[in-house]
Amino acid sequence: DTGVSQDPRHKITKRGQNVTFRCDPISEHNRLYWYRQTLGQGPEFLTYFQNEAQLEKSRLLSDRFSAERPKGSFSTLEIQRTEQGDSAMYLCASSLVGRNGYTFGSGTRLTVV
Amino acid sequence: GQQLNQSPQSMFIQEGEDVSMNCTSSSIFNTWLWYKQDPGEGPVLLIALYKAGELTSNGRLTAQFGITRKDSFLNISASIPSDVGIYFCAGGNTGNQFYFGTGTSLTVIP
Repeated sequence: DTGVSQDPRHKITKRGQNVTFRCDPISEHNRLYWYRQTLGQGPEFLTYFQNEAQLEKSRLLSDRFSAERPKGSFSTLEIQRTEQGDSAMYLCASSLVGRNGYTFGSGTRLTVV
Repeated sequence: GQQLNQSPQSMFIQEGEDVSMNCTSSSIFNTWLWYKQDPGEGPVLLIALYKAGELTSNGRLTAQFGITRKDSFLNISASIPSDVGIYFCAGGNTGNQFYFGTGTSLTVIP
């Protein structure tokens, strides 16, 4: 297993465009998390899934953001009508239920111009 | 979202010196985690703590879960150049999200 994989690693988009990121968790992990990290800050929680169910969403996750995990394996995070304030590193992590300590992917760095 | 208070914000030390950093929260947590992040990469888990007062080591790293459950400490002994990076604490409760600190940037001078 190669760990948590995120694609793409970098994305530059024009303001107003939609973007979609993908995360492939460690195969046996049933929990998947999305975090956002801006420069000089720690990661901030966005949402998490247990299998295909989205169990919690942060207030940071505006209605322009949507996340899915349709088959309980990979997940996608879509941002519609991107704004410059969306520029950040988007991190995905996975874990097993009952085990703490996520394994993070390398992240997708989004730049909105 | 909540961010934990982490100090110091940055440290510049000579190779071979010991390092101490800490993290405090206004909330009680039942789990504390310590991560290291290199530029352009995701955080990597160093140590996980599950019990108040617990002291856990991972090589030259030692972390403690504070008795009040509102703080945690990380020590690095005999620092080496590859210890350079940003260290984050994270506090949480089982099954829920983790809240991260603002990070301690460590520079090791050879």
